[in-house]
Amino acid sequence: DTGVSQDPRHKITKRGQNVTFRCDPISEHNRLYWYRQTLGQGPEFLTYFQNEAQLEKSRLLSDRFSAERPKGSFSTLEIQRTEQGDSAMYLCASSLARTTNEKLFFGSGTQLSVL
Amino acid sequence: RKEVEQDPGPFNVPEGATVAFNCTYSNSASQSFFWYRQDCRKEPKLLMSVYSSGNEDGRFTAQLNRASQYISLLIRDSKLSDSATYLCVVNMERGYNKLIFGAGTRLAVHP
Repeated sequence: DTGVSQDPRHKITKRGQNVTFRCDPISEHNRLYWYRQTLGQGPEFLTYFQNEAQLEKSRLLSDRFSAERPKGSFSTLEIQRTEQGDSAMYLCASSLARTTNEKLFFGSGTQLSVL
Repeated sequence: RKEVEQDPGPFNVPEGATVAFNCTYSNSASQSFFWYRQDCRKEPKLLMSVYSSGNEDGRFTAQLNRASQYISLLIRDSKLSDSATYLCVVNMERGYNKLIFGAGTRLAVHP
C-alpha cells in the first residue's frame, strides 16, 4: 500500500492519559499535515511540516499537543493529559510541494475516544 | 462567522435527480478552491478543483464566483454511489495547502 497510513485506527483512553499517533506519508512527499475532525464538522487544520521543520501550528493546538517529524519522513502527534473534548478523528495528510496543482492525500485517520 | 459555510443538508434525492450544493467563504484573499467527498467514517478525498471559469468532470460541475465569494457543485443524474458528505474547501495560504473545510453537506440518493 503506497498511500498515507496512520496507526492506530482506533484509540480508547481514559481522561488524563497520554496518547501518541503515528503517520507515515507517501514516501516521496515532503509536506505533512495534521487535521482534526469532530462529528458533524469538517477537518480543522492543526499543524504543517515541510520536511522535518514544523512551519505552522494552529491555535487549536494547545500546549498539551505536540507533533514531530524527526527525519522528515513519518510524524507523530502526542496528546498529553487527554480530555474528553479531545475525542475526534485525527487525520494526517501528505503532499509533494509543487507550484501548481499540489494535491493532498489523506490517511484513514485515528479515531480517539476519551472516556 | 465561519470561514467556509455550507448548508448541512441532508439532501435526500431520487436516483437520476440533479442536485446543487452551495458554499460561501469569508476571506477574499483565498487562493484556491476544491470540493472533497467524504464517505461515512472514511477520509476526505478530492473530488475536483474549482476554477473561476467553471469546470466539469463527467456528471459534476463546479463554479466559482470570486466577487460573491461563492462556490457551487452540481451533480447531474445522481447515482446511489454519490451518497456521501461533500466538503467545500478553500486554500488560505500561498505556498502550501492550509485547507479550510466547510462542515459538509450530506447527500443521500435513494432508489
